Amino acid sequence: QMQLVQSGAEVKEPGSSVKVSCTASGGTFSRYGISWVRQTPGQGLEWMGGITPLSDTRNYTQKFQGRLTITADTSTAHMELSSLTSDDTAVYYCATKARGACETVSCYTMDVWGQGTSVSVSS
Amino acid sequence: QSALTQPASASGSPGQSITISCTGTTIDVGAYKYVSWYQQQPGSAPKLLIYEVTNRPPGVSNRFSGSKSGSTASLTISGLQAEDEADYYCSSYTSSNTFVFGIGTKVTVL
Repeated sequence: QMQLVQSGAEVKEPGSSVKVSCTASGGTFSRYGISWVRQTPGQGLEWMGGITPLSDTRNYTQKFQGRLTITADTSTAHMELSSLTSDDTAVYYCATKARGACETVSCYTMDVWGQGTSVSVSS
Repeated sequence: QSALTQPASASGSPGQSITISCTGTTIDVGAYKYVSWYQQQPGSAPKLLIYEVTNRPPGVSNRFSGSKSGSTASLTISGLQAEDEADYYCSSYTSSNTFVFGIGTKVTVL
């Protein structure tokens, strides 16, 4: 059973960048899509973007275009967010498909999640 | 891309059934079969309950079922149990090759 393990909590100053890692154990990302989702305090889930390592295809929501970079190989994914503000204080999750065949969009089924990484932005 | 619309809260007594709606548009829920539902307990990561409108991953109780009509998807929880008390989110693929989540519904078991 694949598990995703994320890097530890971060405290950042406004204007800086943060890079969060997500490592797969018990499996590989390969052809599956890896999503990054964030949850601001007391709020809902927000899909930020994703990547399919096999094709190196990335998709970002318009909101994060220009300051979000997602990279990945077959077992580790990274999410880097720049120009941080207090509004970026949130828990950041990675998620991917755990197993089985897929094609196109179904490869982005989010059925295994990391434990979340808390990012706090404060001066 | 605006968040999908869900009721802020829903409640029911043990054993009852409740249905949570998720309303989108013709560029997301109404256009694709890629609608999913997640359960999130406080302090935990979301858990996938339903994918591709009606499919349950292995290990998810058959008390959870999904459906879709037009631009509105629904999650039904049958035989409500105390452990079902949680936040529930829907998500959909969009015409922008991205995903969008619903605003979330807090389910209370009375």
